[in-house]
Amino acid sequence: EAGVVQSPRYKIIEKKQPVAFWCNPISGHNTLYWYLQNLGQGPELLIRYENEEAVDDSQLPKDRFSAERLKGVDSTLKIQPAELGDSAVYLCASSPRRDYNEQFFGPGTRLTVL
Amino acid sequence: AQSVTQPDIHITVSEGASLELRCNYSYGATPYLFWYVQSPGQGLQLLLKYFSGDTLVQGIKGFEAEFKRSQSSFNLRKPSVHWSDAAEYFCAVSGGAGNMLTFGGGTRLMVKP
Repeated sequence: EAGVVQSPRYKIIEKKQPVAFWCNPISGHNTLYWYLQNLGQGPELLIRYENEEAVDDSQLPKDRFSAERLKGVDSTLKIQPAELGDSAVYLCASSPRRDYNEQFFGPGTRLTVL
Repeated sequence: AQSVTQPDIHITVSEGASLELRCNYSYGATPYLFWYVQSPGQGLQLLLKYFSGDTLVQGIKGFEAEFKRSQSSFNLRKPSVHWSDAAEYFCAVSGGAGNMLTFGGGTRLMVKP
């Protein structure tokens, strides 16, 4: 069984540029999460989807961040415009329906903003 | 609100030595507790979890953890560390089914030959 797939794995951009991250969850997993992991820290939840519905986006900085999960499968997280402080690893995870304690993580996208 | 503290940011042990990584949590009821490992450039992999029952939990790769309610702790142990165990380890807590995970800040383990 394939795991959670994320791309790109690494991204370097200049500040004020837009950037997008893509995630493909494990087949059949209804719940999808985006986490932010700053250097030397644990992951922090940005947004959680149940199928195509964003049910918890309270930690998502909505002035510059947006996310979508069309058709309830793949998801895209976008930052526009990127700031220096956005440099971090963006992790995607998925879990079976409503079983938030069985989360499977992708390898992450490491973003560097110059 | 739930929280997790991992007091040790870095730990270095010699290969073959025993290991204990500390985790303290804050939660008003019986928590669900987890340990994850993250190797460089990789996502998080679940090592073990505690939901209820026996307070000594066995996980993958020879790791175990013990839930101590009186100390609000869930320390991770391994009797003999291998060089491949060098990674970052995260403790996490949740309030149970339907609740989100809260992660600690992580402990980076280095293994000396």
